[in-house]
Amino acid sequence: EAQVTQNPRYLITVTGKKLTVTCSQNMNHEYMSWYRQDPGLGLRQIYYSMNVEVTDKGDVPEGYKVSRKEKRNFPLILESPSPNQTSLYFCASSTPGRSTGELFFGEGSRLTVL
Amino acid sequence: KQEVTQIPAALSVPEGENLVLNCSFTDSAIYNLQWFRQDPGKGLTSLLLIQSSQREQTSGRLNASLDKSSGRSTLYIAASQPGDSATYLCAPDSGGYQKVTFGTGTKLQVIP
Repeated sequence: EAQVTQNPRYLITVTGKKLTVTCSQNMNHEYMSWYRQDPGLGLRQIYYSMNVEVTDKGDVPEGYKVSRKEKRNFPLILESPSPNQTSLYFCASSTPGRSTGELFFGEGSRLTVL
Repeated sequence: KQEVTQIPAALSVPEGENLVLNCSFTDSAIYNLQWFRQDPGKGLTSLLLIQSSQREQTSGRLNASLDKSSGRSTLYIAASQPGDSATYLCAPDSGGYQKVTFGTGTKLQVIP
């Protein structure tokens, strides 16, 4: 089954404790992206990756890091989480052309930073 | 910068009714527009992707239309069912690799 898998789905952590949210897709998609969703603000892009070892900032990259060492995986790293990073996070992937292409989303990871 | 508006923010209809969800965007230079469904606590599921060269796209009871020049798209749901209850988001793609902009969605409730 074609899917984008995120882990963990739910996480409560404390300020400053490094954490990683994993994302894996089995569709051989070149493009992967991380979004956060906050009430009233919609989805905002954090980082994206066009292919292995190619990453770039989205609209709200502060406080986040990413890496793309393998085509299927695109982890999101919070080196020192803060309460304003409490949010619902989504990973997405696609096969891009001139545009991003049809996006496929993971189930989401709800993060609470105390 | 692309701005996307979805009106209404919430909608409640009785089962069986036909309904239209609206999406407007400020930059008409788009490659395509995607409609998504989001169930509570779940990810986004792609419903329809309509290319800029198309005016309509249909899937089952869903029909999406696109009027690029006026910056509007509509999602028509025929014979609504309680299972259609969800939040619907539109996302125009202005090209490049970070140019998908999401609306904040319309929360639909279909009452049995």
